[in-house]
Order: sequence, then C-alpha cells, then structure tokens
Amino acid sequence: DVVMVQSPLSLPVTLGQPASISCTSSQSLVHSDGNTYLSWFQHRPGQSPRRLLYKVSNRDSGVPDRFSGSGSGTDFTLKISRVEAEDVGVYYCMENTYWPYTFGQGTELEIK
Amino acid sequence: EVQLVESGGGLVQPGGSLRLSCSDSGFTFSSHAMHWVRQAPGKGLEGVSAVSSDGDYTYYLDSVEGRFTISRDNSKNTVYLQMNSLTAEDTAVYYCVNGGGSNWGQGTTVTVSS
Repeated sequence: DVVMVQSPLSLPVTLGQPASISCTSSQSLVHSDGNTYLSWFQHRPGQSPRRLLYKVSNRDSGVPDRFSGSGSGTDFTLKISRVEAEDVGVYYCMENTYWPYTFGQGTELEIK
Repeated sequence: EVQLVESGGGLVQPGGSLRLSCSDSGFTFSSHAMHWVRQAPGKGLEGVSAVSSDGDYTYYLDSVEGRFTISRDNSKNTVYLQMNSLTAEDTAVYYCVNGGGSNWGQGTTVTVSS
C-alpha cells in the first residue's frame, strides 16, 4: 500500500507570511496514463473538507491564487504565499494514482 | 453543481448496525468511483471504503473488512454503506466523496455507545 507522509504536522504561521507543507509518497505517483494524481485538501473546523488542488498543481474553482502546488514523482509541496485568517485548518495531501486512494496524516495550520 | 447528501447516521449500541446513504444530484454519478471517508474525534481523515463506477470493484479499510459493505445504485444516483457489528472505534463523522475528491457531502455522524 502507498504511504503518504506529511511534514510538518503542526504549522504556526504569522498572518501575511508564507507557509509550506511537504508530502512524500512511498511510491511514485505517476500513473500509467502519464498524469500524477496528487491532490491537496483543506479542512476547516465545522466544515466538510474542500479540494484545493488536483493533479499536483491545478487549482479548483474558487481557490485563491495564493495557494499553489508543485512536485513530481514522490515529493510534493503545498505553498500559501501569504497566510490569511481564513486559512486556519488542517491540510491533507491525497493520492489517487493507486486504487483507491491514500491520505496523508494532516497538517494543522494555526495563526501565531 | 454536484451535491452529495448523506443520511443514516445516529447513535447505536456496540454490536449494532447502521446503513448510510449518499445521494448525488449531479448528472455524472455513474461515471465516478465513490468513497466513504471518516474522521474520528481528534483524528485525521481515513478512507473507509470505495466502490468503482460500475460497482465491480470495492475497497475496505482493514479494520472494517467483513463488517462494512459498500454498494451503489446508479439508477438512483445513490451509494450505500452498510455497517454491522459496530464498535466504539467506528464513532466518527462519515463523508461521502466522489472519485477525485472534488465533491464532499456535509457528513453524517455515527456514534457507537451504550
């Protein structure tokens, strides 16, 4: 089974400062169709999770452009260029290259 | 816009059963795998079960294998999760999610307690 490891697990950030979360998979996430199925999700308190990015770097509709994704193979990064108060929550990476899918452990972003 | 609406959660005694349902208001239900993901109190997201678009393939988390059964009815745009022999460790908010994770339901709470 694929294992997804995120770091850090806790991320205190000052408002307006950048933030970065790393996600590493135990196997390459390049699918036989050439795509890399790595997504990032935001889970705010009291809400359902929301997908922010898919196939590494594609933003979902309505996602602010301060969120960006990068990486390839087994190493991926979510970056927030300037953290805002509404960004508080837990962030998860998820792969669905391999049936069915695997989540990372989650990274809790809080405001310092 | 696709909306996923879960139902069927509640309070149940250890050893009891519940059946969760998730209806999809979209037009492409039959073309997507569907998943059930849960979040236990104080824990992260955990994939519980999944079913392929045609229902031929299913997945179960090791801890629910043999107790939970996922199924779907593409004519009703609905996916189900039959949960038997429930334990306190199954207490969680259960979310219905479509294939790539682009749409999540609002969640339904399952509490297993005497």
